[in-house]
Amino acid sequence: EAGVAQSPRYKIIEKRQSVAFWCNPISGHATLYWYQQILGQGPKLLIQFQNNGVVDDSQLPKDRFSAERLKGVDSTLKIQPAKLEDSAVYLCASTKTPNNEQFFGPGTRLTVL
Amino acid sequence: AQSVTQLDSHVSVSEGTPVLLRCNYSSSYSPSLFWYVQHPNKGLQLLLKYTSAATLVKGINGFEAEFKKSETSFHLTKPSAHMSDAAEYFCVVSDKGGSYIPTFGRGTSLIVHP
Repeated sequence: EAGVAQSPRYKIIEKRQSVAFWCNPISGHATLYWYQQILGQGPKLLIQFQNNGVVDDSQLPKDRFSAERLKGVDSTLKIQPAKLEDSAVYLCASTKTPNNEQFFGPGTRLTVL
Repeated sequence: AQSVTQLDSHVSVSEGTPVLLRCNYSSSYSPSLFWYVQHPNKGLQLLLKYTSAATLVKGINGFEAEFKKSETSFHLTKPSAHMSDAAEYFCVVSDKGGSYIPTFGRGTSLIVHP
């Protein structure tokens, strides 16, 4: 069974530029999560999808971050414009159902200069 | 609202000695609790989970955790540390009051000395 795929693995951008991350969850997993993990901290949930609907986005900075999962499968997370404090690893995870084991992708390491 | 506190940011042990990583939670409902491990430059992996079945939960690589409702704790233990256990460990809580939205602790870095 293929795992959670994420791309790109690394991204370096200047502040005020835009960036997008892509995630393809495990086949059949209805729940998809995006996390931000700043160095030395635990993952912070940005948004949780159930199929193509949003369950929670209370910690998503909506003035600059957006995410979508249009067909209930893969998802994109966008930052526009980026700030220095957005430098972090962005993790995608999926589960068959909420409250189950999360399977994590390798993450995208974003550096904002 | 649910929350989780990992009481130690770093734990240092010698190889072959017991490991104890502490986690306390707050939940208004019957919580589900998880421990994940993150090795350097690797993805997060589930070690074990508690979802209201047996209070003593066994996981992979010899780890186990005990759910203690009276103490609101879910500490992770291992009888004998191995060098390969050196990693970051995260305690996670979710409950139905929070729509099963997971909340991660800040993490505990386990250091294993030879």
